[in-house]
Amino acid sequence: AQSVTQLGSHVSVSEGALVLLRCNYSSSVPPYLFWYVQYPNQGLQLLLKYTTGATLVKGINGFEAEFKKSETSFHLTKPSAHMSDAAEYFCAVSGRELGGAQKLVFGQGTRLTINP
Amino acid sequence: NAGVTQTPKFRILKIGQSMTLQCTQDMNHNYMYWYRQDPGMGLKLIYYSVGAGITDKGEVPNGYNVSRSTTEDFPLRLELAAPSQTSVYFCASSYRTVWYNEQFFGPGTRLTVL
Repeated sequence: AQSVTQLGSHVSVSEGALVLLRCNYSSSVPPYLFWYVQYPNQGLQLLLKYTTGATLVKGINGFEAEFKKSETSFHLTKPSAHMSDAAEYFCAVSGRELGGAQKLVFGQGTRLTINP
Repeated sequence: NAGVTQTPKFRILKIGQSMTLQCTQDMNHNYMYWYRQDPGMGLKLIYYSVGAGITDKGEVPNGYNVSRSTTEDFPLRLELAAPSQTSVYFCASSYRTVWYNEQFFGPGTRLTVL
């Protein structure tokens, strides 16, 4: 079974400050890892993903995340927050079902607020 | 491409009523999914389909039914609505690939059962 824990349901940072959203996962098999962003009243949009290869992955809007197997973590960072980054962020994990449906397991989400 | 579209956007149901949430994708994706999102929680998988005529249960299927008669459409049916089904419902779709397939999400349907 797989699970995801996001530390902190609400994170608040100042504009221009570092953004750090924490995600730890549990998986009995090598996982695929994802970060999704949800803007108010919209569906989810993929920010970035780790499937294989380089453990530091870069996504859209200046976000990046590092897969650390030893720590079972996949924290999301952005060096300088922008007002437009205010949204809900979800970490998700799935198994590596070859050619099969990707059944995502989501964390509970972290609401990011940016202070001017 | 319109991507993944869902109707209606909002709906209020009375306990015991039935309704169908519609989901359509125009990307010729093989796989389609239904998730629900409860307040303060992540999304949970209700049902998924790997192709027309093939569906399977996800983590929280009780109280729901699905069908997949075409590649494009994947409706979700609530037969006897209960307050516990108050949630936001998201449909998603993805290509069939060997290693990984990104899921594309619709805008959601907000359902309230009173």
